[in-house]
Amino acid sequence: GAGVSQSPSNKVTEKGKDVELRCDPISGHTALYWYRQSLGQGLEFLIYFQGNSAPDKSGLPSDRFSAERTGGSVSTLTIQRTQQEDSAVYLCASSLESSGGLNTGELFFGEGSRLTVL
Amino acid sequence: AQSVAQPEDQVNVAEGNPLTVKCTYSVSGNPYLFWYVQYPNRGLQFLLKYITGDNLVKGSYGFEAEFNKSQTSFHLKKPSALVSDSALYFCAVRGVPFSGNTGKLIFGQGTTLQVKP
Repeated sequence: GAGVSQSPSNKVTEKGKDVELRCDPISGHTALYWYRQSLGQGLEFLIYFQGNSAPDKSGLPSDRFSAERTGGSVSTLTIQRTQQEDSAVYLCASSLESSGGLNTGELFFGEGSRLTVL
Repeated sequence: AQSVAQPEDQVNVAEGNPLTVKCTYSVSGNPYLFWYVQYPNRGLQFLLKYITGDNLVKGSYGFEAEFNKSQTSFHLKKPSALVSDSALYFCAVRGVPFSGNTGKLIFGQGTTLQVKP
């Protein structure tokens, strides 16, 4: 597609359930980010995939959170045993960046997946 | 550690007046600096960036930003605000990738800009 696509756009789940959020980046973009935006809060970095390099997972808040990027394209963010504090909008972004060099590319964001944990 | 600070949660200006949204940063080495805007119920959009060269960079919708290395700042400015500029503005920074630094993009907490008629 023309832009970054995220699904589902809205997800309501019960505390303790697992959820999967999907991101389809712009074709050809080598870098992919996941961020979290809680109500009234800024953008919290979660994870960064860059080409074939090991992902930067330094922003994942706990071991309940994990993410994969298959074939250098689609990414899935998984939250296990969801808690109420996980409720937020999860944003995915992609960028055309050079590996190991000057990462000057701007990010293109999806519309986000709004997660509500009851 | 890499960080961005936006000291104002909200900035209020009257339409037609100049506006400034403040941003300071901390990063090892030369910074790459960005501003993004989030309109209500819409995704984030890129406004402008500083990579190298002229300290004053111009971007979309008449916005500009000035890089000040000594003050580690990258304030967003516009000479004449419009009501339609009302939105949430984010400053972001990344450093050059090297051992221990992946070059990830870190955002500030955001500043809400309210432009009143």
